[in-house]
Amino acid sequence: GAGVSQSPSNKVTEKGKDVELRCDPISGHTALYWYRQSLGQGLEFLIYFQGNSAPDKSGLPSDRFSAERTGGSVSTLTIQRTQQEDSAVYLCASGGRVGQPQHFGDGTRLSIL
Amino acid sequence: GQQLNQSPQSMFIQEGEDVSMNCTSSSIFNTWLWYKQDPGEGPVLLIALYKAGELTSNGRLTAQFGITRKDSFLNISASIPSDVGIYFCAGLTAGAQKLVFGQGTRLTINP
Repeated sequence: GAGVSQSPSNKVTEKGKDVELRCDPISGHTALYWYRQSLGQGLEFLIYFQGNSAPDKSGLPSDRFSAERTGGSVSTLTIQRTQQEDSAVYLCASGGRVGQPQHFGDGTRLSIL
Repeated sequence: GQQLNQSPQSMFIQEGEDVSMNCTSSSIFNTWLWYKQDPGEGPVLLIALYKAGELTSNGRLTAQFGITRKDSFLNISASIPSDVGIYFCAGLTAGAQKLVFGQGTRLTINP
């Protein structure tokens, strides 16, 4: 499709397990963002990739969170040793040049039991 | 860090009423964006504003980039049930590469 694609759409896992969330950005978009959204809350910035530059990891809440972007396209957000407070919707967005709007995927709803 | 103050946090209106929400900041922004999020979906871009004083419409939606560059508002005229959702403002300052988001306005419409 033409939009940002995220998978899985839903993930339920036990506390302590590792999870990987995937984002396929819009083709040609050089910027990729990850956000976290708790129930009924706003968007919490996690990490930002722009082209080949070093990512901005300033929003990652702990060292259990990491992300990579391979080949300037697909990105994977990894959460190690998940905790219940990690339960949220994880949204990915991509954008063109700096200053252009971001376009969002529908998110991955993560539930930690 | 930079923050956007979005108000109101929630609105309960009757179908057919007009709606107004706004975002303010202590910082100057070069770009203002308004998004809408439906349940279970990601935010969808409604309107993008790039110049101070700019007034842009998208159907029944109208948004303005404040002349001081520190605020923006979104109006919805003649609300309909499908307008229900959460509306987010977002801004970008000069030289920055990350959007700053408001906390959202939850719109509920009584038929």
